[in-house]
Amino acid sequence: EPEVTQTPSHQVTQMGQEVILRCVPISNHLYFYWYRQILGQKVEFLVSFYNNEISEKSEIFDDQFSVERPDGSNFTLKIRSTKLEDSAMYFCASTKDRWVKNTEAFFGQGTRLTVV
Amino acid sequence: AQSVSQHNHHVILSEAASLELGCNYSYGGTVNLFWYVQYPGQHLQLLLKYFSGDPLVKGIKGFEAEFIKSKFSFNLRKPSVQWSDTAEYFCAVNAPGTDKLIFGTGTRLQVFP
Repeated sequence: EPEVTQTPSHQVTQMGQEVILRCVPISNHLYFYWYRQILGQKVEFLVSFYNNEISEKSEIFDDQFSVERPDGSNFTLKIRSTKLEDSAMYFCASTKDRWVKNTEAFFGQGTRLTVV
Repeated sequence: AQSVSQHNHHVILSEAASLELGCNYSYGGTVNLFWYVQYPGQHLQLLLKYFSGDPLVKGIKGFEAEFIKSKFSFNLRKPSVQWSDTAEYFCAVNAPGTDKLIFGTGTRLQVFP
């Protein structure tokens, strides 16, 4: 079964440092997403990306965050200057289409980011 | 604002017991509905989805869910759980025209042999 892969599985970083989380979506998918889950809280939408630009973003996705598809396979989330409250599990997802009938989002295993 | 509520935070069952996990959403229009499962240490995996048509949806691993529009609900059911169903279950909603899935807080299911 095709899968979304994320690296690293766990990243520890110091407050104020930049961090890049990496994802390889499923190869024929066109829409890419980042979600996060702070411990004990809901999975929250951060951003969606299509055709090399942000399609939709949440209030959480402020100027500290950016996304990029640097080549044909990777999809990255950059946090410019990490804060303690950025500590969370970050999930990447991809879909073949936008949300038409039978669209299914495939999620990666997540990157646990710990900011110290 | 759209939201999804899962009222059962932690459910403990014995094997062969029946399961029903509640999911309610707040959105006045047409929605697409999903249940995801996350086994320990693994990624979110789709159990089932509803876009339109028959409100009773069958998914993988013997799960089913019923969409009741008048109650804004999409409850997940399984007639007989197994120890291997131990996992966290998430209900999610997508409003057409938006990209995002809105998730509930999740229900942790523990099944004891």
